[in-house]
Amino acid sequence: NAGVTQTPKFRVLKTGQSMTLLCAQDMNHEYMYWYRQDPGMGLRLIHYSVGEGTTAKGEVPDGYNVSRLKKQNFLLGLESAAPSQTSVYFCASRPTGPSSYEQYFGPGTRLTVT
Amino acid sequence: GNSVTQMEGPVTLSEEAFLTINCTYTATGYPSLFWYVQYPGEGLQLLLKATKADDKGSNKGFEATYRKETTSFHLEKGSVQVSDSAVYFCALSAPIIQGAQKLVFGQGTRLTINP
Repeated sequence: NAGVTQTPKFRVLKTGQSMTLLCAQDMNHEYMYWYRQDPGMGLRLIHYSVGEGTTAKGEVPDGYNVSRLKKQNFLLGLESAAPSQTSVYFCASRPTGPSSYEQYFGPGTRLTVT
Repeated sequence: GNSVTQMEGPVTLSEEAFLTINCTYTATGYPSLFWYVQYPGEGLQLLLKATKADDKGSNKGFEATYRKETTSFHLEKGSVQVSDSAVYFCALSAPIIQGAQKLVFGQGTRLTINP
C-alpha cells in the first residue's frame, strides 16, 4: 500500500514551458486535492476533485488546470509556467463517509521556474 | 471566513524542554481541527486531531485540546526530543461543495530542538 505518490519529485522549468504533475493514490479515495506551499503562507488549495471525471477550483486556481480521468489519478497541469509558480506542490486524498475529514498527503513536488 | 493563526516561528528549544505552539482559529460551524507535521524533505503527516469541542487529540507525546470558548487548539509536549525538529501546521476542515471538505492551514511553525 503506497498511499499517495507524486511524480516528479523535483523539476526546473523555464518561463513559458509546460508540464504535468502526477498524483496517484491506491486507497480508493473519492476526494483528491492539489495544494501549493509557499514560505510563511502554509498550504493553499489550488484545485480539487470529488470523484472521477469531476474537478473544481480552489483558492488559487489561476495558471493551473487539472484532470481526473481515473479515480486513482489526479493531474495538475501548468500550460505556461511563470516564476510565481515556483513552489512545493502537494497532493492529498480523502475517503467519503463519516470521518474527521483527515487528508492523506503525498511527499511533494518541488518546482522551480526560472 | 475560515482562517488559522499560528504562533510565529522559528522556535528553538533544548532537549527535554516543554513545548507549546499556539493555534487559534476562526470558523463557521464546528470544524475538525488538526496538527500536521512536516519533517525535512518530506510531505505532511497527521500528528493528531480532534473532531468536537473538549476533545483531546494525542500522539507521540503531543497533545492538543479543542477549546471552543477560546477558539484554540494549542499543541503541547512535556519533553521534546531532537527528533521532534520539524515544521508544525495547525489546520481546520472547512466545507466546500458536495460533501467535500478542504483544509485551511496556518502558516506553519518551524521547531528546532538542540541536544
